[in-house]
Amino acid sequence: AQSVTQPDIHITVSEGASLELRCNYSYGATPYLFWYVQSPGQGLQLLLKYFSGDTLVQGIKGFEAEFKRSQSSFNLRKPSVHWSDAAEYFCAVTGRGSYIPTFGRGTSLIVHP
Amino acid sequence: EAQVTQNPRYLITVTGKKLTVTCSQNMNHEYMSWYRQDPGLGLRQIYYSMNVEVTDKGDVPEGYKVSRKEKRNFPLILESPSPNQTSLYFCASTGRGLLNYGYTFGSGTRLTVV
Repeated sequence: AQSVTQPDIHITVSEGASLELRCNYSYGATPYLFWYVQSPGQGLQLLLKYFSGDTLVQGIKGFEAEFKRSQSSFNLRKPSVHWSDAAEYFCAVTGRGSYIPTFGRGTSLIVHP
Repeated sequence: EAQVTQNPRYLITVTGKKLTVTCSQNMNHEYMSWYRQDPGLGLRQIYYSMNVEVTDKGDVPEGYKVSRKEKRNFPLILESPSPNQTSLYFCASTGRGLLNYGYTFGSGTRLTVV
């Protein structure tokens, strides 16, 4: 069975600082991986996804993520955080060919001015 | 605009009074899912559907029903709601194939059962 762990419940950064949100997965082979963002009072929005190929994927809103097979990780990064990035971030994993994702419990990003 | 529409956004009801939360998508997606979101527990899948008339249980199906009679609609039914079903509910859909894969979520339905 697949699983995903987001080790950080909360992350606080200053506006303009860089950001890295951690995601570790458990799956027997290379999975499909996703990052979603949930702004207050909203549904989740897909930021980016990884299926295969280039291990560095670019997403919307200036985010990127890097797949590292050796570490079973798919960490989300942004070079310079804006106050509007304050939200809940969810990592998700599915098995190859599956359309049923397992979500992490989320990381809440707080941005200080 | 491509979207998943849920109604209502907010609902307060009493224990035992049947209710339906509607979900509709305009992207011709095959897969649709219902999730509930609770503090500290993240997103848990209630039911999912792979196509019309094909549904299956997720991780927390007890107390819920679904139907998929049309491709665009996937209502969630609580036949006898209880207070432990107070939660934030999301409907989501995705298409098939790597190009189309990635769930689109509705804005959520906040349900309170008293």
